Amino acid sequence: DSGVTQTPKHLITATGQRVTLRCSPRSGDLSVYWYQQSLDQGLQFLIQYYNGEERAKGNILERFSAQQFPDLHSELNLSSLELGDSALYFCASSVGLVKNIQYFGAGTRLSVL
Amino acid sequence: GNSVTQMEGPVTLSEEAFLTINCTYTATGYPSLFWYVQYPGEGLQLLLKATKADDKGSNKGFEATYRKETTSFHLEKGSVQVSDSAVYFCALINTGNQFYFGTGTSLTVIP
Repeated sequence: DSGVTQTPKHLITATGQRVTLRCSPRSGDLSVYWYQQSLDQGLQFLIQYYNGEERAKGNILERFSAQQFPDLHSELNLSSLELGDSALYFCASSVGLVKNIQYFGAGTRLSVL
Repeated sequence: GNSVTQMEGPVTLSEEAFLTINCTYTATGYPSLFWYVQYPGEGLQLLLKATKADDKGSNKGFEATYRKETTSFHLEKGSVQVSDSAVYFCALINTGNQFYFGTGTSLTVIP
């Protein structure tokens, strides 16, 4: 158990809908990262937050947004969902900001029908 | 730019065989390098890491050496077990704190 908790484990929704994925980092970790894992694109870094502030951005679509709350949990919001958004979404956390080991949650599997 | 290229799988080996999974990288500055492992139905777990040139990361019988001259970080294990069956990801983190993962290599070890 990595100590990173993601909910829900599975999510099934329809095209055009909006969903929210939640992540609780390990106790004491200030950084949260979001990744998308799909069969054709592999594992893609989406975005990183550190202590409530956005710190690094990867291949995140404009339809996607994230935030980190004062209690350090994070949410990834996906809107106007398309079939191609079906993927595993992972959250990871680390203690600090730079070059820290990341601990991954078990992921949320999103299916867009 | 930054990228990680690892050998394509799937790789199938017999128990006790020698394993090599190749990984090369492109990065600006001085990245740290990692191998992560993903068991079925689980998230990624850090397997080993190296933070500077010539560092050797090792864990659970796996090893990888950070080779700056060849920009490589190949994963090796002398004798694989059935329990090593998983997907292995090579990754780097650059000075901008962005993580880049390879596409993953699926390993199946048969008894």
